[in-house]
Amino acid sequence: DAGVIQSPRHEVTEMGQEVTLRCKPISGHDYLFWYRQTMMRGLELLIYFNNNVPIDDSGMPEDRFSAKMPNASFSTLKIQPSEPRDSAVYFCASSLHRFTEAFFGQGTRLTVV
Amino acid sequence: AQTVTQSQPEMSVQEAETVTLSCTYDTSESDYYLFWYKQPPSRQMILVIRQEAYKQQNATENRFSVNFQKAAKSFSLKISDSQLGDAAMYFCAYRRTNNNAGNMLTFGGGTRLMVKP
Repeated sequence: DAGVIQSPRHEVTEMGQEVTLRCKPISGHDYLFWYRQTMMRGLELLIYFNNNVPIDDSGMPEDRFSAKMPNASFSTLKIQPSEPRDSAVYFCASSLHRFTEAFFGQGTRLTVV
Repeated sequence: AQTVTQSQPEMSVQEAETVTLSCTYDTSESDYYLFWYKQPPSRQMILVIRQEAYKQQNATENRFSVNFQKAAKSFSLKISDSQLGDAAMYFCAYRRTNNNAGNMLTFGGGTRLMVKP
């Protein structure tokens, strides 16, 4: 398996624009996580899914953020409108079930100018 | 809510020496998993080692081992024979395993490890 695949690797956008981050989890994994990493706040969980169903979205900063998982092999994290404080590295991770470690994608570095 | 604390923002070690990174956590659960992840400058998060809370034996992976003290809620990582490639951020993580909501990974703030040649 190719591992967790995220796209794009880097994204630079202007304030107010819509940004969509994409993730393909490892085949067969039934958990999918979105994390955000910043110097100030470290690794924060934004939302996670189990069998494509959102379980906990309490980490989503505000209504500008939304996440979907339309099927077992694809998830998106959307920010609309984007703001400079959204600049961070966004990681997607998946795990086989609740007893196992999560495998991470390489992250998307988002810069909002 | 579970919390994970890494009290050492930075550590340094001489090449070939041994270093121990500290981690404590707070939970009311009895069954859970603990992990150490490594994040090199490439920013890829790499699993180093995992420990099941129900196992008394400390996990070991080659030069990496843990000291798991369940009663003290402590989970330290020992790196033996440190190599230059071990230089990275190290994150301790906790995951509860019950079937209710809350099965996410909770991370500590990280420890930056520098290895001196």
